[in-house]
Amino acid sequence: TQTVSQSDAHVTVFEGDSVELRCNYSYGGSIYLSWYIQHHGRGLQFLLKYYSGNPVVQGVNGFKAEFSKSDSSFHLRKASVHWSDSAVYFCAVSGGNTGKLIFGLGTTLQVQP
Amino acid sequence: GGIITQTPKFLIGQEGQKLTLKCQQNFNHDTMYWYRQDSGKGLRLIYYSITENDLQKGDLSEGYDASREKKSSFSLTVTSAQKNEMAVFLCASSMSREGNTLYFGEGSRLIVV
Repeated sequence: TQTVSQSDAHVTVFEGDSVELRCNYSYGGSIYLSWYIQHHGRGLQFLLKYYSGNPVVQGVNGFKAEFSKSDSSFHLRKASVHWSDSAVYFCAVSGGNTGKLIFGLGTTLQVQP
Repeated sequence: GGIITQTPKFLIGQEGQKLTLKCQQNFNHDTMYWYRQDSGKGLRLIYYSITENDLQKGDLSEGYDASREKKSSFSLTVTSAQKNEMAVFLCASSMSREGNTLYFGEGSRLIVV
């Protein structure tokens, strides 16, 4: 069984701060890990994903995530946030060929001016 | 680029009524999905379809029907609307099942009166 855990429901930072949004997963086999962003009232948009190779994955708008097999984690980071980064961020996992993406509950990032 | 169009954006119905949401994509993607999004509960998969006329149940399929009559469209029917089903329904598509990057529509909000 695949599970995804996002430990922080809300994160508040100031513009220009760095931020880390945490994601932990459990799954026994090969998996794809991804992050999506959802602005208020909109659908989700893909940010980045990892399957194999370099554990640090670069995404759009300065976001990156680092895969750690030992910690079962795939945390999302950004060095300097902008007010437009305020949104809900979802971590997701899919394994094998099930075709199903399992989403975490999401982390709401609020960037204050 | 492509787009996913969900109609209607708001669907208001009475308790017990059968209600249908529609989704169209012009990515020429094989796989399409319906997710339900409830506040604080993340996204839960209702149905998905890997090709025309295919249907696969997700984790939340009870009380719903789906139809994939052609590759570009995927509809979802709430068979008997209940007030506790008020949520946002998100349609998505992807090129393939494995390692899939999902492209989402803007969502349809169901309101049951």
